[in-house]
Amino acid sequence: GAGVSQSPSNKVTEKGKDVELRCDPISGHTALYWYRQSLGQGLEFLIYFQGNSAPDKSGLPSDRFSAERTGGSVSTLTIQRTQQEDSAVYLCASSPPRPSHYSGNTIYFGEGSWLTVV
Amino acid sequence: AQRVTQPEKLLSVFKGAPVELKCNYSYSGSPELFWYVQYSRQRLQLLLRHISRESIKGFTADLNKGETSFHLKKPFAQEEDSAMYYCALRGGSQGNLIFGKGTKLSVKP
Repeated sequence: GAGVSQSPSNKVTEKGKDVELRCDPISGHTALYWYRQSLGQGLEFLIYFQGNSAPDKSGLPSDRFSAERTGGSVSTLTIQRTQQEDSAVYLCASSPPRPSHYSGNTIYFGEGSWLTVV
Repeated sequence: AQRVTQPEKLLSVFKGAPVELKCNYSYSGSPELFWYVQYSRQRLQLLLRHISRESIKGFTADLNKGETSFHLKKPFAQEEDSAMYYCALRGGSQGNLIFGKGTKLSVKP
């Protein structure tokens, strides 16, 4: 597709259930990012994939959160045993590979998955 | 550690007034700085980046390494500038992108 695609766009789930959020990055983009956007908290970094390197998981808030990226393309963010405080917009972004002499790469965001835990 | 601070949650100005959205960062090396904007009901998008030294929609931002700041400025605000603005930092050539908490700009007629 032309842009980063996320699904579902909206998800309402019961507390304690597991949810999976999907991200299809722009074709050819090697870097993929997950962020969480909630009122008053801004954009909170969750996890970052870059090519075949080990992902940077330093932003995952607890061990209930995990993400994987299959075949260097599609990524799935999984939240186990959801809590009400997990309610937020989960944003995915991707960026193209960068030549070593280049800096200032742009990342492109999806429209987000709105998660509501009731 | 990388950190981006946007001290103002909300900034309200009248149309035609100058506007400055503050951004301070913490990073030990040479960072890349960006401003992203999110208009109502739209996805987050890049506004400008420091290496380009460009003016987009009348906005400019200068990287001040001495003050570790990257404030966003526009001399005459327009109503259509009302949006959420995020300052972001990338450290290293392949590093992650860290965002501030954002500033909501409201331009009143």
